[in-house]
Amino acid sequence: EDKVVQSPLSLVVHEGDTVTLNCSYEVTNFRSLLWYKQEKKAPTFLFMLTSSGIEKKSGRLSSILDKKELFSILNITATQTGDSAIYLCAVDSGANSKLTFGKGITLSVRP
Amino acid sequence: DSGVTQTPKHLITATGQRVTLRCSPRSGDLSVYWYQQSLDQGLQFLIQYYNGEERAKGNILERFSAQQFPDLHSELNLSSLELGDSALYFCASSPWTGAETQYFGPGTRLLVL
Repeated sequence: EDKVVQSPLSLVVHEGDTVTLNCSYEVTNFRSLLWYKQEKKAPTFLFMLTSSGIEKKSGRLSSILDKKELFSILNITATQTGDSAIYLCAVDSGANSKLTFGKGITLSVRP
Repeated sequence: DSGVTQTPKHLITATGQRVTLRCSPRSGDLSVYWYQQSLDQGLQFLIQYYNGEERAKGNILERFSAQQFPDLHSELNLSSLELGDSALYFCASSPWTGAETQYFGPGTRLLVL
Protein backbone atom coordinates (compact mmCIF):
# COMPACT_ATOMS: atom_id res chain seq x y z
CA GLU A 1 0.00 0.00 0.00
CA ASP A 2 1.26 3.47 -0.88
CA LYS A 3 2.36 5.52 2.10
CA VAL A 4 3.23 9.18 2.63
CA VAL A 5 4.61 10.35 5.98
CA GLN A 6 5.04 13.97 6.94
CA SER A 7 7.00 15.40 9.82
CA PRO A 8 6.80 17.08 12.17
CA LEU A 9 3.04 16.82 12.80
CA SER A 10 2.95 20.39 14.02
CA LEU A 11 5.26 23.32 14.36
CA VAL A 12 5.10 26.69 16.10
CA VAL A 13 7.52 29.40 15.01
CA HIS A 14 7.83 33.17 15.21
CA GLU A 15 7.56 35.56 12.32
CA GLY A 16 10.81 35.79 10.44
CA ASP A 17 11.89 32.22 11.21
CA THR A 18 12.74 29.71 8.49
CA VAL A 19 10.98 26.35 8.56
CA THR A 20 11.59 23.05 6.83
CA LEU A 21 8.73 20.61 6.37
CA ASN A 22 9.49 16.99 5.54
CA CYS A 23 7.72 14.42 3.43
CA SER A 24 8.83 10.83 2.83
CA TYR A 25 7.04 8.30 0.70
CA GLU A 26 6.81 4.67 -0.33
CA VAL A 27 4.79 4.14 -3.49
CA THR A 28 4.74 1.53 -6.21
CA ASN A 29 4.79 3.76 -9.28
CA PHE A 30 6.01 7.25 -8.56
CA ARG A 31 4.91 9.90 -11.02
CA SER A 32 5.12 13.13 -9.08
CA LEU A 33 5.01 14.70 -5.63
CA LEU A 34 2.79 17.63 -4.85
CA TRP A 35 2.62 20.15 -2.02
CA TYR A 36 -0.64 21.81 -1.04
CA LYS A 37 -1.46 24.51 1.50
CA GLN A 38 -4.73 24.17 3.37
CA GLU A 39 -6.05 27.09 5.34
CA LYS A 40 -9.65 27.05 6.41
CA LYS A 41 -11.05 25.35 3.37
CA ALA A 42 -9.80 23.60 0.27
CA PRO A 43 -6.18 22.63 -0.31
CA THR A 44 -4.52 24.99 -2.74
CA PHE A 45 -1.75 23.81 -5.01
CA LEU A 46 1.81 24.98 -4.29
CA PHE A 47 4.31 22.84 -6.20
CA MET A 48 4.61 19.72 -8.29
CA LEU A 49 7.95 17.92 -8.43
CA THR A 50 8.80 15.18 -10.86
CA SER A 51 12.58 15.22 -11.18
CA SER A 52 15.11 14.70 -8.49
CA GLY A 53 17.29 17.55 -7.32
CA ILE A 54 15.42 20.31 -9.09
CA GLU A 55 14.28 23.09 -6.81
CA LYS A 56 10.92 24.68 -7.37
CA LYS A 57 10.65 28.18 -5.97
CA SER A 58 7.87 30.66 -5.51
CA GLY A 59 8.69 33.71 -3.47
CA ARG A 60 9.62 32.62 0.05
CA LEU A 61 8.60 29.01 -0.58
CA SER A 62 10.82 26.42 -2.19
CA SER A 63 10.77 22.65 -2.50
CA ILE A 64 13.13 19.94 -3.59
CA LEU A 65 12.69 16.24 -4.30
CA ASP A 66 15.13 13.40 -3.69
CA LYS A 67 13.89 10.38 -5.67
CA LYS A 68 16.75 8.19 -4.52
CA GLU A 69 16.04 8.70 -0.83
CA LEU A 70 12.28 9.04 -1.41
CA PHE A 71 11.64 12.35 0.29
CA SER A 72 10.88 15.97 -0.31
CA ILE A 73 11.23 19.12 1.74
CA LEU A 74 9.29 22.34 1.67
CA ASN A 75 11.16 25.41 2.93
CA ILE A 76 9.55 28.63 3.98
CA THR A 77 11.84 31.56 4.70
CA ALA A 78 11.01 34.77 6.58
CA THR A 79 7.72 33.26 7.75
CA GLN A 80 4.65 35.45 8.16
CA THR A 81 1.45 34.90 10.13
CA GLY A 82 -0.30 34.30 6.81
CA ASP A 83 1.80 31.18 6.36
CA SER A 84 -0.10 29.54 9.22
CA ALA A 85 -1.87 26.59 7.65
CA ILE A 86 -1.76 22.84 7.19
CA TYR A 87 0.79 21.80 4.58
CA LEU A 88 -0.09 18.62 2.73
CA CYS A 89 2.25 16.44 0.75
CA ALA A 90 0.78 14.04 -1.81
CA VAL A 91 2.21 11.52 -4.23
CA ASP A 92 0.73 10.64 -7.60
CA SER A 93 1.39 6.98 -8.15
CA GLY A 94 -0.81 5.73 -10.92
CA ALA A 95 -2.12 6.23 -14.42
CA ASN A 96 -5.31 7.64 -12.99
CA SER A 97 -3.52 10.16 -10.79
CA LYS A 98 -4.71 8.71 -7.53
CA LEU A 99 -3.15 10.99 -4.94
CA THR A 100 -2.00 9.56 -1.65
CA PHE A 101 -1.77 12.27 0.97
CA GLY A 102 0.23 12.52 4.15
CA LYS A 103 -1.61 13.60 7.30
CA GLY A 104 -0.28 17.12 6.98
CA ILE A 105 1.90 19.44 9.02
CA THR A 106 0.17 22.16 11.03
CA LEU A 107 2.30 25.29 10.97
CA SER A 108 1.53 28.15 13.34
CA VAL A 109 3.45 31.38 12.89
CA ARG A 110 3.26 33.69 15.91
CA PRO A 111 3.69 37.45 15.57
CA ASP B 1 -11.24 30.34 -6.12
CA SER B 2 -10.38 27.10 -7.91
CA GLY B 3 -13.45 27.06 -10.17
CA VAL B 4 -14.73 23.83 -8.59
CA THR B 5 -18.05 24.22 -6.81
CA GLN B 6 -19.57 21.97 -4.19
CA THR B 7 -22.98 21.99 -2.57
CA PRO B 8 -24.09 22.06 0.13
CA LYS B 9 -21.40 23.73 2.22
CA HIS B 10 -22.67 22.17 5.42
CA LEU B 11 -24.92 19.24 6.12
CA ILE B 12 -26.20 17.97 9.45
CA THR B 13 -28.07 14.71 9.52
CA ALA B 14 -28.81 11.72 11.72
CA THR B 15 -27.38 8.22 11.80
CA GLY B 16 -28.99 5.87 9.33
CA GLN B 17 -29.87 8.62 6.87
CA ARG B 18 -28.75 9.11 3.29
CA VAL B 19 -27.27 12.26 1.77
CA THR B 20 -26.08 13.40 -1.65
CA LEU B 21 -23.14 15.73 -2.16
CA ARG B 22 -22.77 17.55 -5.43
CA CYS B 23 -19.72 18.75 -7.33
CA SER B 24 -19.30 20.80 -10.50
CA PRO B 25 -15.78 20.61 -11.93
CA ARG B 26 -13.87 23.47 -13.50
CA SER B 27 -15.01 24.33 -16.98
CA GLY B 28 -13.43 21.90 -19.42
CA ASP B 29 -12.21 19.42 -16.79
CA LEU B 30 -13.25 15.85 -17.52
CA SER B 31 -11.91 14.16 -14.42
CA VAL B 32 -13.49 14.37 -10.97
CA TYR B 33 -12.05 13.01 -7.73
CA TRP B 34 -13.72 12.64 -4.33
CA TYR B 35 -11.81 12.79 -1.04
CA GLN B 36 -12.76 12.45 2.60
CA GLN B 37 -10.88 14.41 5.25
CA SER B 38 -11.26 13.51 8.90
CA LEU B 39 -9.14 14.52 11.86
CA ASP B 40 -7.67 11.09 12.46
CA GLN B 41 -7.31 9.82 8.89
CA GLY B 42 -6.23 12.92 7.03
CA LEU B 43 -7.20 13.34 3.38
CA GLN B 44 -8.21 10.04 1.82
CA PHE B 45 -8.96 9.35 -1.83
CA LEU B 46 -12.39 7.80 -2.37
CA ILE B 47 -13.11 7.53 -6.08
CA GLN B 48 -12.37 9.03 -9.48
CA TYR B 49 -14.52 9.50 -12.57
CA TYR B 50 -13.39 10.45 -16.03
CA ASN B 51 -15.88 11.58 -18.64
CA GLY B 52 -18.69 9.68 -16.99
CA GLU B 53 -16.84 6.47 -16.25
CA GLU B 54 -15.36 5.23 -13.01
CA ARG B 55 -11.56 5.14 -13.29
CA ALA B 56 -10.11 4.46 -9.87
CA LYS B 57 -11.34 3.46 -6.45
CA GLY B 58 -9.70 4.16 -3.15
CA ASN B 59 -10.89 3.66 0.40
CA ILE B 60 -14.57 4.00 -0.41
CA LEU B 61 -17.07 2.13 1.74
CA GLU B 62 -19.77 0.00 0.16
CA ARG B 63 -22.35 2.34 1.69
CA PHE B 64 -20.96 5.12 -0.48
CA SER B 65 -21.41 5.47 -4.22
CA ALA B 66 -20.76 8.11 -6.83
CA GLN B 67 -21.52 8.93 -10.41
CA GLN B 68 -20.60 11.48 -13.02
CA PHE B 69 -23.30 12.79 -15.31
CA PRO B 70 -23.16 13.73 -19.01
CA ASP B 71 -22.74 17.40 -18.08
CA LEU B 72 -19.69 16.26 -16.04
CA HIS B 73 -21.02 17.20 -12.63
CA SER B 74 -20.66 14.48 -10.05
CA GLU B 75 -22.59 13.30 -7.03
CA LEU B 76 -21.39 11.35 -4.01
CA ASN B 77 -24.10 9.39 -2.25
CA LEU B 78 -23.58 8.38 1.37
CA SER B 79 -26.13 6.00 2.90
CA SER B 80 -26.77 4.32 6.25
CA LEU B 81 -24.73 7.10 7.77
CA GLU B 82 -22.72 6.49 10.91
CA LEU B 83 -21.17 8.90 13.38
CA GLY B 84 -17.74 8.12 11.95
CA ASP B 85 -18.78 9.43 8.53
CA SER B 86 -18.66 12.96 9.90
CA ALA B 87 -15.92 14.62 7.88
CA LEU B 88 -15.10 17.17 5.23
CA TYR B 89 -15.74 15.84 1.74
CA PHE B 90 -13.77 17.41 -1.09
CA CYS B 91 -14.22 17.17 -4.77
CA ALA B 92 -11.30 17.94 -7.08
CA SER B 93 -11.08 18.16 -10.84
CA SER B 94 -8.41 18.00 -13.49
CA PRO B 95 -8.48 18.35 -17.26
CA TRP B 96 -7.87 14.69 -17.99
CA THR B 97 -7.06 11.50 -16.19
CA GLY B 98 -3.34 11.47 -15.56
CA ALA B 99 -3.12 15.21 -14.91
CA GLU B 100 -1.20 15.58 -11.68
CA THR B 101 -2.50 18.95 -10.61
CA GLN B 102 -5.95 18.64 -9.13
CA TYR B 103 -7.99 21.68 -8.21
CA PHE B 104 -10.04 21.32 -5.05
CA GLY B 105 -13.51 22.60 -4.33
CA PRO B 106 -14.38 24.26 -1.01
CA GLY B 107 -15.70 21.04 0.47
CA THR B 108 -18.90 19.90 2.15
CA ARG B 109 -18.77 19.54 5.91
CA LEU B 110 -20.93 16.62 6.99
CA LEU B 111 -21.95 16.17 10.60
CA VAL B 112 -23.77 12.98 11.54
CA LEU B 113 -25.50 13.14 14.92
